Amino acid sequence: RKEVEQDPGPFNVPEGATVAFNCTYSNSASQSFFWYRQDCRKEPKLLMSVYSSGNEDGRFTAQLNRASQYISLLIRDSKLSDSATYLCVVNPAGSARQLTFGSGTQLTVLP
Amino acid sequence: DVKVTQSSRYLVKRTGEKVFLECVQDMDHENMFWYRQDPGLGLRLIYFSYDVKMKEKGDIPEGYSVSREKKERFSLILESASTNQTSMYLCASSLRGAPKNNEQFFGPGTRLTVL
Repeated sequence: RKEVEQDPGPFNVPEGATVAFNCTYSNSASQSFFWYRQDCRKEPKLLMSVYSSGNEDGRFTAQLNRASQYISLLIRDSKLSDSATYLCVVNPAGSARQLTFGSGTQLTVLP
Repeated sequence: DVKVTQSSRYLVKRTGEKVFLECVQDMDHENMFWYRQDPGLGLRLIYFSYDVKMKEKGDIPEGYSVSREKKERFSLILESASTNQTSMYLCASSLRGAPKNNEQFFGPGTRLTVL
């Protein structure tokens, strides 16, 4: 079983739609959680951290469910510029340095 | 802005050749990482370094070695390239210590093809 699993998609949605991605992780002792974004042919960049209480950054909302070991990302009012691959990322328990990346969910926002 | 640069965007090598991939960061980060990214497999950690001359194996170190002689520079070496090492190679760096170490800054990647 992969440490971090994501639905690869692709998700094709019209502009203005709301779209949600889920991610599950296998290590119940994992400490920190993140979403990174990777544009086509570009490097990954940190989108947002995920906190236990849930957190919001503009149109983006991230949630963590420790009991079920999953993380979600909700994008409201999708823009064409949101088209990218979204990587779920976990800091394994006890690791001060390493991150474990999911294989990503591809999103295309259509005009 | 943090800048991580990699020596080549595209590289074509032959089986058995020795390959050097260079990575330089300009923000005085302690941690540096080498990943490879393959479709369906995501980013997999090859090696990382948390200080000059220090290195630790990641998840897939076989067939690779690394060198960190200066803080800003982290090199990945393929001693004898093989076709299954054809991939996108990404270098990253981060500060030491949580929570800042959770944000890794990536270089643009090197697409290596081994024929």
